Amino acid sequence: DTGVSQDPRHKITKRGQNVTFRCDPISEHNRLYWYRQTLGQGPEFLTYFQNEAQLEKSRLLSDRFSAERPKGSFSTLEIQRTEQGDSAMYLCASSLDGGNYGYTFGSGTRLTVV
Amino acid sequence: QKEVEQDPGPLSVPEGAIVSLNCTYSNSAFQYFMWYRQYSRKGPELLMYTYSSGNKEDGRFTAQVDKSSKYISLFIRDSQPSDSATYLCAMSEKTGANSKLTFGKGITLSVRP
Repeated sequence: DTGVSQDPRHKITKRGQNVTFRCDPISEHNRLYWYRQTLGQGPEFLTYFQNEAQLEKSRLLSDRFSAERPKGSFSTLEIQRTEQGDSAMYLCASSLDGGNYGYTFGSGTRLTVV
Repeated sequence: QKEVEQDPGPLSVPEGAIVSLNCTYSNSAFQYFMWYRQYSRKGPELLMYTYSSGNKEDGRFTAQVDKSSKYISLFIRDSQPSDSATYLCAMSEKTGANSKLTFGKGITLSVRP
């Protein structure tokens, strides 16, 4: 068990480009979450999957954002037509159904839009 | 007003000090309360997890929840330089399905040797 893995660790992109991030959760965890954290703030909920089903999306997740979790394993988060305001740390977390002990976060992908 | 408010920082203490970190919240539906520690360039790491009101102790750490006052605290005894990090409180309305967390903004703690 290597924990939650996120790739890439850092991404610098030009405004208007599309970017995609990947998250590999802990293998036996069936729940997967995406959060966004800006400098000096706590993480904010973006979306949540139980297995392959996306069960909730925050209003923060505009139509430029899409997340998938095919086959209930890894997940991808895509941002289309990036804007400078998208610059943030994107955190993935996973947990086990019925678990009462919070979740395990990955180290995040830091996105800088220039 | 944000749902979760956390005391502003940063906080600097000498090694061995007792540290008190606090959060208040406005959503009375919150039942599960957590403290995460986040080192620079890393994801948050779960430190303490409590359900409803009461105290929970784990080594040098004690988490306290007072639901009547909508107030939670984390105490760190005999603080060490390795405790230097950002501490985030987090809470949720339920566990199980859809247990999304609402976080405070975090407080950066520095423990001076």
